[in-house]
Amino acid sequence: KQEVTQIPAALSVPEGENLVLNCSFTDSAIYNLQWFRQDPGKGLTSLLLIQSSQREQTSGRLNASLDKSSGRSTLYIAASQPGDSATYLCAPAGGTSYGKLTFGQGTILTVHP
Amino acid sequence: NAGVTQTPKFQVLKTGQSMTLQCAQDMNHNSMYWYRQDPGMGLRLIYYSASEGTTDKGEVPNGYNVSRLNKREFSLRLESAAPSQTSVYFCASSEVDTPWGQFFGPGTRLTVL
Repeated sequence: KQEVTQIPAALSVPEGENLVLNCSFTDSAIYNLQWFRQDPGKGLTSLLLIQSSQREQTSGRLNASLDKSSGRSTLYIAASQPGDSATYLCAPAGGTSYGKLTFGQGTILTVHP
Repeated sequence: NAGVTQTPKFQVLKTGQSMTLQCAQDMNHNSMYWYRQDPGMGLRLIYYSASEGTTDKGEVPNGYNVSRLNKREFSLRLESAAPSQTSVYFCASSEVDTPWGQFFGPGTRLTVL
């Protein structure tokens, strides 16, 4: 059974800092890995998807890397802003459960002005 | 495009009552999913439908039934609601072999008294 751990559980930083959010997973036979953002009381917004054959994916100030063999993914947020405050969720898909996501508990990020 | 829509947004039930949560997507996706989100447990897969006409159990299927009505719609039914089913329910959809991953609806907040 896939298990996903996200570190840190919570992070509070001043505006402008560069951040690293970590995700580890136990089953390395994944099809892809998705990073989501969730605002309080809202649904999930997809940020990035990395295919298992890729090493990284970039979108604006976000960069996600994937090391499938070691079961790790990292989300890098450059020049953080208060609007980045949210919960960030990591979710690998596939392995023996193709297409189905297993979620971590998330990292709660607060960026203060 | 509306993406993934869910109804209702909020619902309060008494123990033993039944109800159906509705989900529809307008992205022509083949796969649809139902998740529940609970504090401290994260998001967990209840049921999924890889394609029209098929449904399969996820991690926590007990107490639920699903129907893939057509390609657009995937409903989740609680036959006899229990307080343990108090949760936020999310529907998602996706298409295999695309770079966009799963798209989520806004959620249904269900309370069972």
